[in-house]
Amino acid sequence: QKEVEQDPGPLSVPEGAIVSLNCTYSNSAFQYFMWYRQYSRKGPELLMYTYSSGNKEDGRFTAQVDKSSKYISLFIRDSQPSDSATYLCAMSGKLTFGQGTILTVHP
Amino acid sequence: DGGITQSPKYLFRKEGQNVTLSCEQNLNHDAMYWYRQDPGQGLRLIYYSQIVNDFQKGDIAEGYSVSREKKESFPLTVTSAQKNPTAFYLCASSNWTGGSFFGQGTRLTVV
Repeated sequence: QKEVEQDPGPLSVPEGAIVSLNCTYSNSAFQYFMWYRQYSRKGPELLMYTYSSGNKEDGRFTAQVDKSSKYISLFIRDSQPSDSATYLCAMSGKLTFGQGTILTVHP
Repeated sequence: DGGITQSPKYLFRKEGQNVTLSCEQNLNHDAMYWYRQDPGQGLRLIYYSQIVNDFQKGDIAEGYSVSREKKESFPLTVTSAQKNPTAFYLCASSNWTGGSFFGQGTRLTVV
């Protein structure tokens, strides 16, 4: 079993939709949780990081962590075509990544 | 500007040749990482270092080597033992309060 499992997608949504991206993990030692956005042929860009259960909001993005269920989510409100990218969740320590979810937001 | 610099952006390797990818950071981060990304796939960890002069193998270390002689630098050598080296290589650094940052990657092609 992989330490981090991410819903593989791909996801295709209309502009303005709410997007939910999800990861589960098995290692309860993970303390920090991160979400990255990666455009084609570029390095991943850190979107959000958090270290506690609950919600953290930044503009249109909300990161949610539930340590009891070992489950993290990223919500994107009012999605835009520029949000089209691969989204990766990551966990602290060895910096372990999920497989990534390809998101396409169409006008 | 603080950040992570990877060079070169594109690299071509002949069969049987060793090549070294550079990764430099000025963020004063203790931890540094190397990943490999193949088309349509996630990031696979090659090596990581949590402190100077120490490093550990990741999930796919065979055919690769690293050094960490300085805090700012974590070069990756792709040796001739790596049978399928064509990929996108990414370097990252991290502090312990969360937040890890990536370079823009090196695209290695075997010719």
